[in-house]
Amino acid sequence: EAEVAQSPRYKITEKSQAVAFWCDPISGHATLYWYRQILGQGPELLVQFQDESVVDDSQLPKDRFSAERLKGVDSTLKIQPAELGDSAMYLCASSSTLRGMETQYFGPGTRLLVL
Amino acid sequence: GEDVEQSLFLSVREGDSSVINCTYTDSSSTYLYWYKQEPGAGLQLLTYIFSNMDMKQDQRLTVLLNKKDKHLSLRIADTQTGDSAIYFCAEKAGGYQKVTFGTGTKLQVIP
Repeated sequence: EAEVAQSPRYKITEKSQAVAFWCDPISGHATLYWYRQILGQGPELLVQFQDESVVDDSQLPKDRFSAERLKGVDSTLKIQPAELGDSAMYLCASSSTLRGMETQYFGPGTRLLVL
Repeated sequence: GEDVEQSLFLSVREGDSSVINCTYTDSSSTYLYWYKQEPGAGLQLLTYIFSNMDMKQDQRLTVLLNKKDKHLSLRIADTQTGDSAIYFCAEKAGGYQKVTFGTGTKLQVIP
């Protein structure tokens, strides 16, 4: 069964350093999402892509976060510089629409710890 | 804006039924979802319900939707130890059809 791939699975970094996360969605899925999940909370949408275009990045802290999906396939989320409060799980999801129903499929996530 | 709330914790004995509750605020919801998250893993879609339905059954899972009260519940029949996880409800609403997640309910199944 096709899955959303993410790497790395774990990342430890020091504050003020740059980090990058990669996501490869399920083949053929045009919509890709990045979520941040702080421990004990539900996922919060950071950015949504439709193909290579950003549909919604209203919750993305643009002073330090950036996301791209240049060819409309895989995507990279970058944080520069990282801050202590960025420690969280970063989840990528992709979605397909079948019979009018959109279903999101999540990757395993990248757990980030900022020291 | 959208707000989705859940109780934090539920403990049940193996073989009993579990009922996890969720309330939401956006009356323009189109779909409501239940996801399961096991430790260290991503979210797995369990089931969903259209906002114009009031009940959906899928094997051991029953979803009830009270649109008037904006209340959603997930019933798991014959709960097993493998059902221990965090369960998130989510609603899809608004102009961008954004999905908003609740805070999650941790289900503990006691053998």
